[in-house]
Amino acid sequence: AQTVTQSQPEMSVQEAETVTLSCTYDTSESDYYLFWYKQPPSRQMILVIRQEAYKQQNATENRFSVNFQKAAKSFSLKISDSQLGDAAMYFCAYRAGGATNKLIFGTGTLLAVQP
Amino acid sequence: NAGVTQTPKFRILKIGQSMTLQCTQDMNHNYMYWYRQDPGMGLKLIYYSVGAGITDKGEVPNGYNVSRSTTEDFPLRLELAAPSQTSVYFCASSYSMRDKGSTLFAQETQYFGPGTRLLVL
Repeated sequence: AQTVTQSQPEMSVQEAETVTLSCTYDTSESDYYLFWYKQPPSRQMILVIRQEAYKQQNATENRFSVNFQKAAKSFSLKISDSQLGDAAMYFCAYRAGGATNKLIFGTGTLLAVQP
Repeated sequence: NAGVTQTPKFRILKIGQSMTLQCTQDMNHNYMYWYRQDPGMGLKLIYYSVGAGITDKGEVPNGYNVSRSTTEDFPLRLELAAPSQTSVYFCASSYSMRDKGSTLFAQETQYFGPGTRLLVL
């Protein structure tokens, strides 16, 4: 069975600095997708970034980028120039390719941004 | 384009009562999902649907039922509420499409609703 592990329950970063959130996963599949979702206090889940396993290039979305290490099954999120609005719970998620489409979530990392 | 909408936002139920959580999406997505999120935990899949008339169990389906009579709507039914069902419930949707770089079907990103907070006392 696939699993997603986030080993950092909480992280803190100073405004304008860079922070990296860790995520590891376990799967025997070769085709899959990885995601980072942000959940602010409003509780809505917001997609931050998406990575296809078959792509070697790391995904980037503005200030957000990932370090995807397929062999190590690692998928970390880097937030550059952190802003107060980045404070939220961040969830790493895995989805196998193919006809099924079930997201498996990690337990989350609570990010605090200090002014 | 409202995306995924959920009602109600918050509800208190007594043990043994029943209720339906509503979910509607206006993006013409084939796939819809129901998740629950317990305090301090990630989301767990309850049920999902790949199209109107088709539903399947997720990771934690016990105590719930779903139906999918239209593409837009995917209600979640709790028949006999129990304290263990106290949680925040999220509905999500996605569109299934063939990925240009893969021979397998690759689904688009899941879009989430704002959630329904349920308290069972």
